[in-house]
Amino acid sequence: AQSVTQLGSHVSVSEGALVLLRCNYSSSVPPYLFWYVQYPNQGLQLLLKYTSAATLVKGINGFEAEFKKSETSFHLTKPSAHMSDAAEYFCAVSEKAAGNKLTFGGGTRVLVKP
Amino acid sequence: NAGVTQTPKFQVLKTGQSMTLQCAQDMNHEYMSWYRQDPGMGLRLIHYSVGAGITDQGEVPNGYNVSRSTTEDFPLRLLSAAPSQTSVYFCASRLDSTDTQYFGPGTRLTVL
Repeated sequence: AQSVTQLGSHVSVSEGALVLLRCNYSSSVPPYLFWYVQYPNQGLQLLLKYTSAATLVKGINGFEAEFKKSETSFHLTKPSAHMSDAAEYFCAVSEKAAGNKLTFGGGTRVLVKP
Repeated sequence: NAGVTQTPKFQVLKTGQSMTLQCAQDMNHEYMSWYRQDPGMGLRLIHYSVGAGITDQGEVPNGYNVSRSTTEDFPLRLLSAAPSQTSVYFCASRLDSTDTQYFGPGTRLTVL
């Protein structure tokens, strides 16, 4: 069975500082991995995804994530935080063999301080 | 394309009442699903459908019914609402051949 753990339910960063959100997964087969962002009172929007191509994945709004199989991790980073990055971020995993059903982590809420 | 639409945006029910959350998509996606979002628990899959006439249970199906009579619509029914069903509900869809799901804006449900 697949599962996702996001370390830290809340992260506070200063504007211009590095954003690092941690995601570890468990999966019995090579997974597909996703990061979604949810702005206040909105639905989820796909930031980026890993589907077994390049291990460093670039997404929208300057975010990127690196798939590390040996560490079963898919951490999300952005070099310089902007006030507009304040949102909740979800890591998710799916397995093609399981019909591509998504399993989500608990989410990390990012606060950006001026 | 309107994408994935959900109605209503907000709903308050009393315990024992029934209601249907509506979900529609205009992208001709085969796969549709319902999730509930609770604080600290991410999104959990309630029910999903891989095409018209085909539905299956997800992680937390108890208390919810679904049907899929058309490709476009995937309503979620609460037959007898309970306070434990207070949550934000999201509908999502994708092409069966792809891995990326598109989410609706959500329905915030409160059961008193």
